[in-house]
Amino acid sequence: NAGVTQTPKFRILKIGQSMTLQCTQDMNHNYMYWYRQDPGMGLKLIYYSVGAGITDKGEVPNGYNVSRSTTEDFPLRLELAAPSQTSVYFCASSSPDYGYTFGSGTRLTVV
Amino acid sequence: GIQVEQSPPDLILQEGANSTLRCNFSDSVNNLQWFHQNPWGQLINLFYIPSGTKQNGRLSATTVATERYSLLYISSSQTTDSGVYFCAVDASNYQLIWGAGTKLIIKP
Repeated sequence: NAGVTQTPKFRILKIGQSMTLQCTQDMNHNYMYWYRQDPGMGLKLIYYSVGAGITDKGEVPNGYNVSRSTTEDFPLRLELAAPSQTSVYFCASSSPDYGYTFGSGTRLTVV
Repeated sequence: GIQVEQSPPDLILQEGANSTLRCNFSDSVNNLQWFHQNPWGQLINLFYIPSGTKQNGRLSATTVATERYSLLYISSSQTTDSGVYFCAVDASNYQLIWGAGTKLIIKP
């Protein structure tokens, strides 16, 4: 049982490039989330999903897109990367019985 | 919306000391979790505790939902306990509401 797996762990992007952050969970959780954490700050919700085929915006969705074609996978797409998107990105899944489980994070730098 | 307040904001202790971290929330919540973010940035789920008391080794947590607070106890602190401790509450719209965290430094 690997929990929530995120890849890559680190990435440097140039302004205007695009990339996809991968997230997979093996706990059969319906709910999945993407958060970003800026230095010295708390986590902010980017997007969330309550099940395959259903996604919705969180607090800071601009510049990002998500899809949820399967229960296990919830990729986050960055289009036209900007320096303001330099952050640590966390994927999480949750269940009513066990709460939230977070991945180990992706440290992204846009230069 | 729901407000989550944690105290103290910072705490510096010697190894072996005990500590109590507090989380107050402004309204009824579905659930409450305590997380530890270690110095390498990993977020570890410590307790999922909407009410009552749970223990896991040197750590324990108590949530009194009717009085809208939760306490995290750390006994016999170790340097590996250093990091930021977050309290987060589960509101009704699938979103976690986070406290600002307590930064804990354990000195050897």
